[in-house]
Amino acid sequence: GIQVEQSPPDLILQEGANSTLRCNFSDSVNNLQWFHQNPWGQLINLFYIPSGTKQNGRLSATTVATERYSLLYISSSQTTDSGVYFCAVAPTGGYNKLIFGAGTRLAVHP
Amino acid sequence: SQTIHQWPATLVQPVGSPLSLECTVEGTSNPNLYWYRQAAGRGLQLLFYSVGIGQISSEVPQNLSASRPQDRQFILSSKKLLLSDSGFYLCAWAYSGANVLTFGAGSRLTVL
Repeated sequence: GIQVEQSPPDLILQEGANSTLRCNFSDSVNNLQWFHQNPWGQLINLFYIPSGTKQNGRLSATTVATERYSLLYISSSQTTDSGVYFCAVAPTGGYNKLIFGAGTRLAVHP
Repeated sequence: SQTIHQWPATLVQPVGSPLSLECTVEGTSNPNLYWYRQAAGRGLQLLFYSVGIGQISSEVPQNLSASRPQDRQFILSSKKLLLSDSGFYLCAWAYSGANVLTFGAGSRLTVL
């Protein structure tokens, strides 16, 4: 089955710093989502981005489907950005059965 | 607007006891529904998905089962819990034919 690798596994930032999270996947996908899991476990949808670039405030994401990777950019990080960021993909065909990466654990310190 | 509810939020059960976790979606019809499990400190694993009433597909062999008795209701069950069933269980939904999955708040199960 499709493999999803996220890097780095852990990231520690000072408030105000910028960061880039990476997601590599091993096969063609028709669905790619980025999620933020808060300390209470809630998964928050950040982006649906199977290809192209999107921006939402301090967050932006780019997926290069032909090269099988996606990037999540966090600018001017805040302590509330802390948590785990997951990339999830669904291969072409099927019922959008998302396959998750292991996540990047981000800690933003004041 | 659409909302997804899961309950109970937290559950502590002895080994060998039964389990029932419930998920309901409001504000839509005929959604695709999903159950995921997250072991401590790890990513999410798809357990079951459903595209309609009574239609359940299992993704991994396990001690759990799922049912969809109504259009917007998805239930995760076990007859006898194992220690390895402990984890964080998340229900998700998506519009039929659409791509964005939205997750519920989760149910944290501890089996002792």
